[in-house]
Amino acid sequence: DIQMTQSPSAMSASVGDRVTITCRASQGISNYLAWFQQKPGKVPKRLIYAASTLQSGVPSRFSGSGSGTEFTLTISSLQPEDFATYYCLQHNSYPPTFGGGTKVEIK
Amino acid sequence: EVQLVESGGGLVQPGGSLRLSCAASGFTFSDYSMNWVRQAPGKGLEWVSSISSGSSTIYYADSVKGRFTISRDNAKNSLYLQMNSLRAEDTAVYYCARGYCSSTSCLDYWGQGTLVTVSS
Repeated sequence: DIQMTQSPSAMSASVGDRVTITCRASQGISNYLAWFQQKPGKVPKRLIYAASTLQSGVPSRFSGSGSGTEFTLTISSLQPEDFATYYCLQHNSYPPTFGGGTKVEIK
Repeated sequence: EVQLVESGGGLVQPGGSLRLSCAASGFTFSDYSMNWVRQAPGKGLEWVSSISSGSSTIYYADSVKGRFTISRDNAKNSLYLQMNSLRAEDTAVYYCARGYCSSTSCLDYWGQGTLVTVSS
């Protein structure tokens, strides 16, 4: 199985900060990488697919980059509604595997 | 609007069985692969199983293989997960999610989830 290592596991940030979350795959996954946001008690929501394509309706402050084994989710200017847990997902091969999550908290 | 509505969760004793259902609407169900994903309390996301649009291809996580069975009824726009020999570690919110995970549609829409608690 492909392992997804996500970092950091948690972080504190302020409104307006630029936030970067990284996911590393244990082997190459091309661009079969998606990012999800989950707020407490809510359903995960897909933000980005194909490593860098923004899901319809997702604010443009979110962006994704990377290919192969290294991927990044960037929030250019953190907003109050962005405090949540973020997960990466590889779906290059079965089983699809998630990263461990990054909890973004208010500083 | 894509809607996925799970049902069937509840409290079950270790070794027991439960059948989850997911009712789909707002899209052509028979065109899409479907998935089950779970989340244990306070933990991360874990993919459980996938079924292709015509049920010809099925995958399971090793953690549930031989105990869980995924199925679908395209005439009823419904997805199912039969869970047998349940263990405490199967306690989780179970989500159904749309999409073929060898394409860009992987897990693009999710239901609200149904809670399964395995406890004596």
